[in-house]
Amino acid sequence: KAGVTQTPRYLIKTRGQQVTLSCSPISGHRSVSWYQQTPGQGLQFLFEYFSETQRNKGNFPGRFSGRQFSNSRSEMNVSTLELGDSALYLCASSPGQGGSGELFFGEGSRLTVL
Amino acid sequence: AQKVTQAQTEISVVEKEDVTLDCVYETRDTTYYLFWYKQPPSGELVFLIRRNSFDEQNEISGRYSWNFQKSTSSFNFTITASQVVDSAVYFCALRLYGQNFVFGPGTRLSVLP
Repeated sequence: KAGVTQTPRYLIKTRGQQVTLSCSPISGHRSVSWYQQTPGQGLQFLFEYFSETQRNKGNFPGRFSGRQFSNSRSEMNVSTLELGDSALYLCASSPGQGGSGELFFGEGSRLTVL
Repeated sequence: AQKVTQAQTEISVVEKEDVTLDCVYETRDTTYYLFWYKQPPSGELVFLIRRNSFDEQNEISGRYSWNFQKSTSSFNFTITASQVVDSAVYFCALRLYGQNFVFGPGTRLSVLP
């Protein structure tokens, strides 16, 4: 069974640009969550999607947005990039919405903003 | 609000030593779930264990064991006879039902040959 797939794995952008990251969950999983990981702030929750609807959102500015498609694949977008957006962006999937189960993570997309 | 503390930022041990990673959590809820994840250099967080607040039974899985104590709000992780492949960053996490994960800052474990 294929795991969570994230693309691209690495990317470099400059300030002011925007970026779109993609995540394909494990087959059959309908919930996708996104986390930002930085050395200073650690792992921080961005948002969770289930059945194409955002179910939960972390404390990030509106420049961070996401969506989920009918096949459960998800994308997140960051507009007007800032240096502080440099991070590893991790996507995780789970079979159902919220609940108590574990998340299954991808290897992440490492974004560098110059 | 929920919080997870991992006081040990970095630990170095020599192969075959036992090592314990500490995790202390804070929550006012009586129903919650605790997790440990391993993050190797590849970046992916690998699930290790899940425990619910009603199950204080300790667990052993091979060289790994977990000690859950509600009285001290701790969920510690012990690796017995550590190996170089255990080198990674380990995260403890807390989850309330239906809510997002709250991760601790992580402990970087280096196992030296």
